[in-house]
Amino acid sequence: EDKVVQSPLSLVVHEGDTVTLNCSYEVTNFRSLLWYKQEKKAPTFLFMLTSSGIEKKSGRLSSILDKKELFSILNITATQTGDSAVYLCAAAGNQFYFGTGTSLTVIP
Amino acid sequence: GAGVSQSPRYKVAKRGQDVALRCDPISGHVSLFWYQQALGQGPEFLTYFQNEAQLDKSGLPSDRFFAERPEGSVSTLKIQRTQQEDSAVYLCASSLVASNYGYTFGSGTRLTVV
Repeated sequence: EDKVVQSPLSLVVHEGDTVTLNCSYEVTNFRSLLWYKQEKKAPTFLFMLTSSGIEKKSGRLSSILDKKELFSILNITATQTGDSAVYLCAAAGNQFYFGTGTSLTVIP
Repeated sequence: GAGVSQSPRYKVAKRGQDVALRCDPISGHVSLFWYQQALGQGPEFLTYFQNEAQLDKSGLPSDRFFAERPEGSVSTLKIQRTQQEDSAVYLCASSLVASNYGYTFGSGTRLTVV
């Protein structure tokens, strides 16, 4: 059965902390791994990863994919209260499969 | 438009009522997806169009759910005889080409069946 599992389910940190969000997947005909940020609206696209070991960065966010071990991580450094959101991971195979998300709360 | 537009933003339906949810994708986007997102869950795939062709409808939960995209642009998700378990946010997403590219979501339609 195709699935995507994210951990932790929720996380509370203080501003300035660094967090690592995990996503593991088992998807038939895997093509890519995507990360989204969801606040009180539709998910917004963060990263798409297709190759193992190549880090993608955008400001304080970075992500990497391990296609051998079937997982990806999303790192956020120097967290800010605006980073509070649900972070969704999706794996593209025959269709897109989403995890249930990690709810991140950043406390001032 | 600049983004994916969904309407209505909110819909309250009485159990047994039929509803129609509309999605206007980004102009020129070939692929269009519908997702159902229950409270506290990630989006669950419903169906996928490439232009006007519905290539995958394996995620539609029952035959009460029907989607169409007759001219390859606007899509409508119809739910007949709504049930309480249909209450969710229905998200539409589109992308320029098929498959493995990041895609843009609309703001969703929150359906509440009472």
